[in-house]
Amino acid sequence: AQSVTQLDSHVSVSEGTPVLLRCNYSSSYSPSLFWYVQHPNKGLQLLLKYTSAATLVKGINGFEAEFKKSETSFHLTKPSAHMSDAAEYFCVVSHSGGGADGLTFGKGTHLIIQP
Amino acid sequence: DAGVTQSPTHLIKTRGQQVTLRCSPKSGHDTVSWYQQALGQGPQFIFQYYEEEERQRGNFPDRFSGHQYPNYSSELNVNALLLGDSALYLCASSRDRLYEQYFGPGTRLTVT
Repeated sequence: AQSVTQLDSHVSVSEGTPVLLRCNYSSSYSPSLFWYVQHPNKGLQLLLKYTSAATLVKGINGFEAEFKKSETSFHLTKPSAHMSDAAEYFCVVSHSGGGADGLTFGKGTHLIIQP
Repeated sequence: DAGVTQSPTHLIKTRGQQVTLRCSPKSGHDTVSWYQQALGQGPQFIFQYYEEEERQRGNFPDRFSGHQYPNYSSELNVNALLLGDSALYLCASSRDRLYEQYFGPGTRLTVT
């Protein structure tokens, strides 16, 4: 069985300040981990993925995440928030390498950017 | 190159009715997965089709069924609709087991 817990349902930051979205996972296998973003009325978009290569993963739009096995965490960060980052973010786990099997999503973190 | 497309975009049905949702995968993709996203929740995996067969299934009752055609397009059927089936239904496609899934914009189903 596998699961993810997103520790914050809402995160609010000021434009230009760092972003931290927290995610812990549980998996019986060596997991593949992903972050997806969902903008209002738009489809889910893959931000980045970890599939047992480098533990620090760089994604699109300046986001990155670090896989920490000892802490079972995969937190998402960005050095400087932009207004366009306001969206819903989902941490996702899969036990297939590329993520082509059924994905298990967290409940989401709503990111609010204050001007 | 068109991405994943879904139809219709919105649908309103009455309890007890049946509904069919459609999905066309991204060009070059042969695997289609379906997810249900209730309001304020993360998507939940319903099932996955590959080579016209259901390959994986999440924790959904058999009121939820699907089909995949030789051109890789797929349908999701839901029978005996309940109010709790109201949700955004997302289709995702991928190229075999090794690659990530690309999501469509979804079909918003409202059951009254």
